[in-house]
Amino acid sequence: DVKVTQSSRYLVKRTGEKVFLECVQDMDHENMFWYRQDPGLGLRLIYFSYDVKMKEKGDIPEGYSVSREKKERFSLILESASTNQTSMYLCASSPPLGQIMNTEAFFGQGTRLTVV
Amino acid sequence: GDSVTQMEGPVTLSEEAFLTINCTYTATGYPSLFWYVQYPGEGLQLLLKATKADDKGSNKGFEATYRKETTSFHLEKGSVQVSDSAVYFCALSDQGKSSGDKLTFGTGTRLAVRP
Repeated sequence: DVKVTQSSRYLVKRTGEKVFLECVQDMDHENMFWYRQDPGLGLRLIYFSYDVKMKEKGDIPEGYSVSREKKERFSLILESASTNQTSMYLCASSPPLGQIMNTEAFFGQGTRLTVV
Repeated sequence: GDSVTQMEGPVTLSEEAFLTINCTYTATGYPSLFWYVQYPGEGLQLLLKATKADDKGSNKGFEATYRKETTSFHLEKGSVQVSDSAVYFCALSDQGKSSGDKLTFGTGTRLAVRP
């Protein structure tokens, strides 16, 4: 079975802390994504990566950075957490467009982050 | 840029009622269209998809037809069950672009089905 695993389901951090959210996939997918999910706003793309050490900004990258040192792992970093970053964070992975036309993304269960 | 607009919820139905959740899109390339479902406490999972005009995606009694002329991909089910209660997201992947692996999501529609 396909699996995307996020390191924590729930996380509480203090304002100003540096926060790491980890995501691991076991499908050998090239693409990995970080979204945040907020009520009424749906899913918004923060960053994505199409290869090891490669990254591209999504729609809302401000206040975030990412790291992809290995193909299976994609980390989201909040350099200095703020209360407006309280949200549900979802990681996803997918194969590259060239291999499979019917691109499908597989999602982790999400990390609910609260910044106090 | 690409965008997806879906009807606002929540949608509340009685068991065995007919379901329609509207979804329209804007894209400059040749998008693939998806419906994802999120059950309580879980991540998203693919429900169905269609990759070209007039394709019909179907799964678990749900259907959606890719209508290029109306830029729509409405989700339908003839008889909903309590277990269908979830949040439904319409999404597109614009495969005509270099970054076409990205998914653009709608805001989600919460469905609640009463026994």
